Amino acid sequence: GNSVTQMEGPVTLSEEAFLTINCTYTATGYPSLFWYVQYPGEGLQLLLKATKADDKGSNKGFEATYRKETTSFHLEKGSVQVSDSAVYFCALTSSGGSNYKLTFGKGTLLTVNP
Amino acid sequence: NAGVTQTPKFQVLKTGQSMTLQCAQDMNHNSMYWYRQDPGMGLRLIYYSASEGTTDKGEVPNGYNVSRLNKREFSLRLESAAPSQTSVYFCASTFGDGQETQYFGPGTRLLVL
Repeated sequence: GNSVTQMEGPVTLSEEAFLTINCTYTATGYPSLFWYVQYPGEGLQLLLKATKADDKGSNKGFEATYRKETTSFHLEKGSVQVSDSAVYFCALTSSGGSNYKLTFGKGTLLTVNP
Repeated sequence: NAGVTQTPKFQVLKTGQSMTLQCAQDMNHNSMYWYRQDPGMGLRLIYYSASEGTTDKGEVPNGYNVSRLNKREFSLRLESAAPSQTSVYFCASTFGDGQETQYFGPGTRLLVL
């Protein structure tokens, strides 16, 4: 079946540091890939997505590239801010007929210190 | 638009009690989902409804039932709560057209004693 493996946290960085959160996946077919973010006390919200190989998703300074050859979708940001402190989830779609479902990684807690 | 709303925000139950978690969306989405979030486990799908009138089991359906009341509303029922059901529950919705951005509610924190 489909699965997502992302680096375990917690990750602690200083403000303006470079961020990488690794994500690899196993899936049949051609899934779409997502990064969701969960700020403290809130639900998840979409950060970025990519729907086919070599696509790059980007939002709020975050980027991730869909690499089919390495089955990866690593999240990067050049300079993190305190406000980026959150839990980040990598996810992919799995489709059964018209019933699209998301498979999530376990999440990575990021803490950014001033 | 309110997006996806959930009630209640927090609930404490005793073992064996029942309750229903409510979810509603005002985005005219076709598909709706219930997840539970546990520390170190990510989000796991409990049940989903691809369209009004249909429901299907997800990864962890045992101990839960759902009702897709209409296109807007999707409720999750615990008939006899157990401490293992202590979790944070999220409802989500999407058009179900292949774009697959799911929109999440703020969550319900449930504690079963």
